[in-house]
Amino acid sequence: AQSVAQPEDQVNVAEGNPLTVKCTYSVSGNPYLFWYVQYPNRGLQFLLKYITGDNLVKGSYGFEAEFNKSQTSFHLKKPSALVSDSALYFCAVRLPQFLNNNAGNMLTFGGGTRLMVKP
Amino acid sequence: DAGVTQSPTHLIKTRGQHVTLRCSPISGHKSVSWYQQVLGQGPQFIFQYYEKEERGRGNFPDRFSARQFPNYSSELNVNALLLGDSALYLCASSLSRIFSGNTIYFGEGSWLTVV
Repeated sequence: AQSVAQPEDQVNVAEGNPLTVKCTYSVSGNPYLFWYVQYPNRGLQFLLKYITGDNLVKGSYGFEAEFNKSQTSFHLKKPSALVSDSALYFCAVRLPQFLNNNAGNMLTFGGGTRLMVKP
Repeated sequence: DAGVTQSPTHLIKTRGQHVTLRCSPISGHKSVSWYQQVLGQGPQFIFQYYEKEERGRGNFPDRFSARQFPNYSSELNVNALLLGDSALYLCASSLSRIFSGNTIYFGEGSWLTVV
């Protein structure tokens, strides 16, 4: 079974400082990894994904994430945080199609990390 | 282009009632999935439909059912509602079922409150 862990319920950072939101995963094989952001009372917005290739993936709104296979991690980063980045962030994993045992499009999500950026 | 659209946005039901939630995928997307997000948790996979057939099912009781129509829109039905069914129900679409690297795009969700 696949699982995702986001070890921090909340991350606090001052505006202008770099931010990191952590994610680790447990899955057989080489997974596909995703980050989504959720603003209050809204749905999920796609930020970025890792499929293959360069371990550093760049996404929307200046976010990037680094895939580390040996540490089974996919941490989300941004060099300079904005107050408007304050939201709930979800990491998700999905198995390649030949390994998903008819699980279809199933994404397995972590529990989420609330990012608070203070002015 | 319109994104994933869901209706209704909010609804309140009584225990034991039935609810139908609707979803229209992004134009050109043939795969629709449903997720349940309980307050304070990450979304949980309920169903995936592709070409009008169920292609995946999460760990939800038979009270939950869904279908996909020829235009690729979808309905999620929940019978005999329980208080624990109160959640945000998210619909997601992607280009196809085949390549798991396709990005999955989510709608704004339908907030269901069961009283």
